[in-house]
Amino acid sequence: DQQVKQNSPSLSVQEGRISILNCDYTNSMFDYFLWYKKYPAEGPTFLISISSIKDKNEDGRFTVFLNKSAKHLSLHIVPSQPGDSAVYFCAASAAGSARQLTFGSGTQLTVLP
Amino acid sequence: KAGVTQTPRYLIKTRGQQVTLSCSPISGHRSVSWYQQTPGQGLQFLFEYFSETQRNKGNFPGRFSGRQFSNSRSEMNVSTLELGDSALYLCASSPDRVEVGYTFGSGTRLTVV
Repeated sequence: DQQVKQNSPSLSVQEGRISILNCDYTNSMFDYFLWYKKYPAEGPTFLISISSIKDKNEDGRFTVFLNKSAKHLSLHIVPSQPGDSAVYFCAASAAGSARQLTFGSGTQLTVLP
Repeated sequence: KAGVTQTPRYLIKTRGQQVTLSCSPISGHRSVSWYQQTPGQGLQFLFEYFSETQRNKGNFPGRFSGRQFSNSRSEMNVSTLELGDSALYLCASSPDRVEVGYTFGSGTRLTVV
């Protein structure tokens, strides 16, 4: 039972354009959503998070949008740079005394120069 | 500020053996989590420790165990290794505030032969 889904295994974008990575979830108990970037042979790097009480959070070139009614979130990267090429994971966490992250399967983003 | 340190980086073990992996979290972080990453199952939560207590455990067999010491350093142990245990094992530390994300180490690549 995949509670967090990233349906696009890969995405290619031209440098300078917008990259949009999508994520869907099924568990209504999730109250925080996070995006991570991962390079080969390294651990995931935290990018940005959003609380379920918000619908948008921005940090520099990265913006995350949350649509609770559709159980959908997206990460926008503007402008995209070749260094952004990596696997992007969406993750979710439910409220409780001990937090665990439930990850999606990841989307490989390739930014073409 | 030093990041999350995992040792060793690479490990080769034989089926039936046991293995211990180590994780030193960021100074001041009292929450340490472990994740397993495989090509087929993605990133899956193993367990989380806070102040030497296991607060949460994922859906893994009892062969997987862990502990946390008073200095927040953590170890995980896998007994009676199986070929399917070959994976990248990632440790993440957190100040116990999900909105700031978890900081992951580079992982230990375990190969079981």
